[in-house]
Amino acid sequence: DAGVIQSPRHEVTEMGQEVTLRCKPISGHNSLFWYRQTMMRGLELLIYFNNNVPIDDSGMPEDRFSAKMPNASFSTLKIQPSEPRDSAVYFCASSLDFATYEQYFGPGTRLTVT
Amino acid sequence: GENVEQHPSTLSVQEGDSAVIKCTYSDSASNYFPWYKQELGKGPQLIIDIRSNVGEKKDQRIAVTLNKTAKHFSLHITETQPEDSAVYFCAASNWDTGRRALTFGSGTRLQVQP
Repeated sequence: DAGVIQSPRHEVTEMGQEVTLRCKPISGHNSLFWYRQTMMRGLELLIYFNNNVPIDDSGMPEDRFSAKMPNASFSTLKIQPSEPRDSAVYFCASSLDFATYEQYFGPGTRLTVT
Repeated sequence: GENVEQHPSTLSVQEGDSAVIKCTYSDSASNYFPWYKQELGKGPQLIIDIRSNVGEKKDQRIAVTLNKTAKHFSLHITETQPEDSAVYFCAASNWDTGRRALTFGSGTRLQVQP
């Protein structure tokens, strides 16, 4: 069974450009989470969805960040415009449902903004 | 909000020895405590978790203990093997609030020397 799939695995872009990260959760999972990992701040939750609806976006750093989940099998995290301080590894995780504790992480997207 | 402290930041042991990683948390209402293992270039992988109604949980060579009074929990790895080398993260969450955000510790880099 495929795990969480993220694309691209690596992204290098210039400051000011728009960046879109993609995630496909584990089939049948109804909760989806976006995390960011940096040396300075560690792993931090940005936003999560349940049944395609955003439940908590309090971790989204600023209006330049937006996330969508148009259907149960796809989510995007967009940064527009990107800045060098957005450089990080972005992880997507999924969980069976809102009542299930266990979260399963994807391999991550390493974003570098120059 | 929740704050999770993790120690040590690095740990080197000889193969076959035991390793212990400790975490403390600040929110006494937290009731879910997972541990994740992250290998280089991969996403965090859930290895064991414990809930607040349990004091100890074991899975083969891995065990987790929880002391709710002192607000700390620990990961114990026995008979360590080179493949245990990775970064380990603890996390805490208050499931009852309806939020599913995991607050992570800063990580422990475990190196098992053959």
